[in-house]
Amino acid sequence: QSELTQPPSVSATPGQRVTISCSGSSSNIGSNIVNWYQQLPGTAPKLLTYSNNQRPSGVPDRFSGSKSGTSASLAISGLQSEDEADYYCAAWDDSLNAYVFGAGTKVTVL
Amino acid sequence: EVQLVESGGGLVQPGGSLRLSCAASGFIFDYYEMNWVRQAPGKGLEWVAYISSSGSTIYYADSVKGRFTISRDNAKSSLYLRLNSLRAEDTAVYYCARDSSGLVDWGQGTLVTVSS
Repeated sequence: QSELTQPPSVSATPGQRVTISCSGSSSNIGSNIVNWYQQLPGTAPKLLTYSNNQRPSGVPDRFSGSKSGTSASLAISGLQSEDEADYYCAAWDDSLNAYVFGAGTKVTVL
Repeated sequence: EVQLVESGGGLVQPGGSLRLSCAASGFIFDYYEMNWVRQAPGKGLEWVAYISSSGSTIYYADSVKGRFTISRDNAKSSLYLRLNSLRAEDTAVYYCARDSSGLVDWGQGTLVTVSS
């Protein structure tokens, strides 16, 4: 059971906007930065957003991260078929002295 | 170009040991913190261990504490993970990852299978 709670799956049609939530606590999201990772089928994870809302170079601006209190979210606008993947939120947890991942959310493009 | 190449995985019996290696290139290795993350078949990501750039600070997930040991050799630009007392639930792909406000670069992973 993860310290960060994500919905198991979300789905939408191409062009729509989806939002993935990530709920934590004061010891992780509430006091540390949140990162989001994308894992395409059969590949290693990739950093999608860092420091709550920053995008590494090369990541399309369709992906945006945000954080408020002990929750964070990842929004994907203009959904494309190549966005079909697993998405994980993560943050350092000061109580556990551990980097914690959410259980992951599978995004399906209908 | 940043490259992280893991090696050392394989099939091992319960209770056995393995040493994983991660060869880094394309960046100044001793500037960066490093991590090991694993993923059991069909499951999500699980952080395993962290080591600071100098090696002076180390953290482990509770699930591996006392059994796994993370280390690094900055002269060889290499990261290691010693896995002892292996259990079936340690079966996973193990990734090394460079840390810079997030796990910015990942290797391709090495598969560890614990089975008799």
